[in-house]
Amino acid sequence: AQSVTQPDIHITVSEGASLELRCNYSYGATPYLFWYVQSPGQGLQLLLKYFSGDTLVQGIKGFEAEFKRSQSSFNLRKPSVHWSDAAEYFCAGASGGSYIPTFGRGTSLIVHP
Amino acid sequence: NAGVTQTPKFQVLKTGQSMTLQCAQDMNHNSMYWYRQDPGMGLRLIYYSASEGTTDKGEVPNGYNVSRLNKREFSLRLESAAPSQTSVYFCASSDAGDRAFFGQGTRLTVV
Repeated sequence: AQSVTQPDIHITVSEGASLELRCNYSYGATPYLFWYVQSPGQGLQLLLKYFSGDTLVQGIKGFEAEFKRSQSSFNLRKPSVHWSDAAEYFCAGASGGSYIPTFGRGTSLIVHP
Repeated sequence: NAGVTQTPKFQVLKTGQSMTLQCAQDMNHNSMYWYRQDPGMGLRLIYYSASEGTTDKGEVPNGYNVSRLNKREFSLRLESAAPSQTSVYFCASSDAGDRAFFGQGTRLTVV
């Protein structure tokens, strides 16, 4: 079955530290991949997306993600975390004829001052 | 620039009551989706509509029905609400394969 897995339920980092959120995918063909962020009580906002081409994708708010086919991964990174980055992060994939977005379970980011 | 609009934002129902969640998008997208979000479960697809006039079941369709009224509107109906349907519901739309745009969500409590 096509799926996206986020192995970490919670991640805690100190403000100013670097961040990496993990995402693994399982698709027959290379999927379209996305990272979304959700602040409390809000909808989901797109951070970045990967369709093809350059495997390092730049997004908004200083985030980037790297597509690694050999590891079936699409990890999200940020070099220096700000307190305002505390939120829920979702990795999503879409593939096949219908391209229905399938979401991971989310990773909650906690930022310590 | 409205994007995806969901109503209502909050709702409390008694077990057995019915209600319809409304969703409209103004981006001329073909595809529309209904997800539910529960703690630790991420977003699970309830139903989707790949184009006007078509609807299909997602991962968790039991207890729900949908209507794609036209290209803009995609409603979700709970015929007989159950406490297990307490959740946050999100409507989304996209062009196939591209990023999805989400509404602000409906927080539903069934008592």
